[in-house]
Amino acid sequence: NFMLTQPHSVSESPGKTVTISCTRSSGSIASNFVQWYQQRPGSSPTTVIYEDNQRPSGVPDRFSGSIDSSSNSASLTISGLKTEDEADYYCQSYDTSNHVVFGGGTKLTVL
Amino acid sequence: QLQESGPGLVKPSETLSLTCTVSGGSISSNTYYWVWIRQPPGKGLEWIGSFDYSGSTYYSPSLNSRVTISVDTSKNQFFLKLSSVSAADTAVYYCARGSLWYNFDYWGQGTLVTVSS
Repeated sequence: NFMLTQPHSVSESPGKTVTISCTRSSGSIASNFVQWYQQRPGSSPTTVIYEDNQRPSGVPDRFSGSIDSSSNSASLTISGLKTEDEADYYCQSYDTSNHVVFGGGTKLTVL
Repeated sequence: QLQESGPGLVKPSETLSLTCTVSGGSISSNTYYWVWIRQPPGKGLEWIGSFDYSGSTYYSPSLNSRVTISVDTSKNQFFLKLSSVSAADTAVYYCARGSLWYNFDYWGQGTLVTVSS
């Protein structure tokens, strides 16, 4: 099985842009879709990006997702940061055996 | 909607049993996976296992020997059993619905299960 590695934490100022990476340890990042979840304290996770770069209805277009085969990683970019974006973010994918893998999570601080 | 239920306290070496009740849609739909995910206090998300409309089950390799997921389509419920629990199994347990590409679009509110004597 593979692992997804995320930075433990990132911080940025309101109005700025931040990118959170998610690197796949083995196999191609492009082989299986990547999802991104936002989790605020005390709440269940919610999807902010699905199928690499799709945004669910209701998620602002400040959120975008991409994959980069050269670095075998996926990225979540949040532009025009707001204090309400402060949360934990998790990437997630799966393999051909229908095993699901989560990244370790990234704590985003907006200060 | 999904709602987890079950004991909040389980003794070490015993079996943790949880129920997920699904409302607003059929658990028999061939469009979705149904999953259990857990989150130890202060830590990240961990996939426990899934099942699909055909009844096939998929388990985390690290938990495979202790996990059973089952379903009762007549009640629109699915279940988690985790045997031989220890303090390391203390976590918030979530049930969720996943698309065919494993986008978990609906989650339960989660239920905290503490393993302690």
